[in-house]
Amino acid sequence: EVQLVESGGGLVQPGGSLRLSCAASGFSFSSFRMSWVRQAPGKGLEWVATTKEDGSEKYYADSVKGRLTISRDNTKNSLDLQMNSLRVEDTALYYCVRGGWHPDNWGQGTLVTVSS
Amino acid sequence: EIVMTQSPATLSVSPGERATLSCRAGESVNSDLAWYQQRPGQAPRLLIYGASTGAKGIPARFSGSGSGTEFTLTISNLQSEDFAVYYCQQYNKWPRTFGQGTKVEIK
Repeated sequence: EVQLVESGGGLVQPGGSLRLSCAASGFSFSSFRMSWVRQAPGKGLEWVATTKEDGSEKYYADSVKGRLTISRDNTKNSLDLQMNSLRVEDTALYYCVRGGWHPDNWGQGTLVTVSS
Repeated sequence: EIVMTQSPATLSVSPGERATLSCRAGESVNSDLAWYQQRPGQAPRLLIYGASTGAKGIPARFSGSGSGTEFTLTISNLQSEDFAVYYCQQYNKWPRTFGQGTKVEIK
């Protein structure tokens, strides 16, 4: 069974940093692109970032480019999202998802709240 | 980025009836279009990809059609568990983009 378990969310002040992690199991992690998708409270879905299977290429939404960095460790089956210079508008539930085209597995999400 | 527009915002349907949801892309995405279902308090679930291919384990009452810029998700014989929010998403170009969602509610 595919499992994606996010962690690392919390309350942070504007301008602060946070690092999200996703522990993957139940599939060959190194064979799949992995992504982060977020959802602001009561709002729709927004694609955040994707990393290729070997981490050689990364893609970002314009809204996070230069501030958020996606990375992966295929030896640990883990996906990370380093979040710097956080803004109030980054407040959202962050989902770890399997795939870079049409994600077929989603974690339950970790909540990031940016507020003073 | 490619803007995805869904209509209507809310659709009121009676159980057992058919629901037809629309999604329009700001430019052609060929058939690189997916649909997701999100129930309250749950993560989204992939329903359809390639505009018309059902994802693993998805009931046959969910069907997708369209190509280019116009797409449709049809849900036949609506069941109680189908009342949810539905999103379309294009994966033809970066960044991937979602529609704003259509809420299917009980009439």
